[in-house]
Amino acid sequence: SQQGEEDPQALSIQEGENATMNCSYKTSINNLQWYRQNSGRGLVHLILIRSNEREKHSGRLRVTLDTSKKSSSLLITASRAADTASYFCATDALNNNDMRFGAGTRLTVKP
Amino acid sequence: DAGITQSPRHKVTETGTPVTLRCHQTENHRYMYWYRQDPGHGLRLIHYSYGVKDTDKGEVSDGYSVSRSKTEDFLLTLESATSSQTSVYFCAIRGLFYEQYFGPGTRLTVT
Repeated sequence: SQQGEEDPQALSIQEGENATMNCSYKTSINNLQWYRQNSGRGLVHLILIRSNEREKHSGRLRVTLDTSKKSSSLLITASRAADTASYFCATDALNNNDMRFGAGTRLTVKP
Repeated sequence: DAGITQSPRHKVTETGTPVTLRCHQTENHRYMYWYRQDPGHGLRLIHYSYGVKDTDKGEVSDGYSVSRSKTEDFLLTLESATSSQTSVYFCAIRGLFYEQYFGPGTRLTVT
């Protein structure tokens, strides 16, 4: 079963706007990760946030984690057409060996 | 792609035939993974390996076997392919901080 569930399933915005995607999960985790996938390609790691962290930044990306609500959000600021992709959250089991991915959010950024 | 290759990249096979997919890495990572990606399901873990000859089952392991006789190669075998195994298969390795790096994928069609 999926551990992470992204919301919304699809998001369409204009270039320059911010995009926010959410992820909810079910069990305790060590860390949560966000990945990006362009059509027909493999996933690319974006950012990892540990269970004892609440917020993390990387360039135009901001990730938050609320372990009490078992949820995370990914914010992409000042979006670009090149940000068009699917975004997945992934959580690990406490043994760190087994990652569970959500079904993803399909982001479309219109120029 | 962190030195990860997959072969073949595309394959069409008939129901009941055996199929082996290969994942090759050049960076001596200990952990390697096989996932399948289907619409609406995100990525689901099939099997993973934590060292030469050390493997374990993932979420959807039925109908699949794996082998790892060398650090750099992780093989996924479908002993008798079925139409439900039509999917895109991704190999991944685990980096130092539990992030995963993915190969380009293999599109398998079972007719």
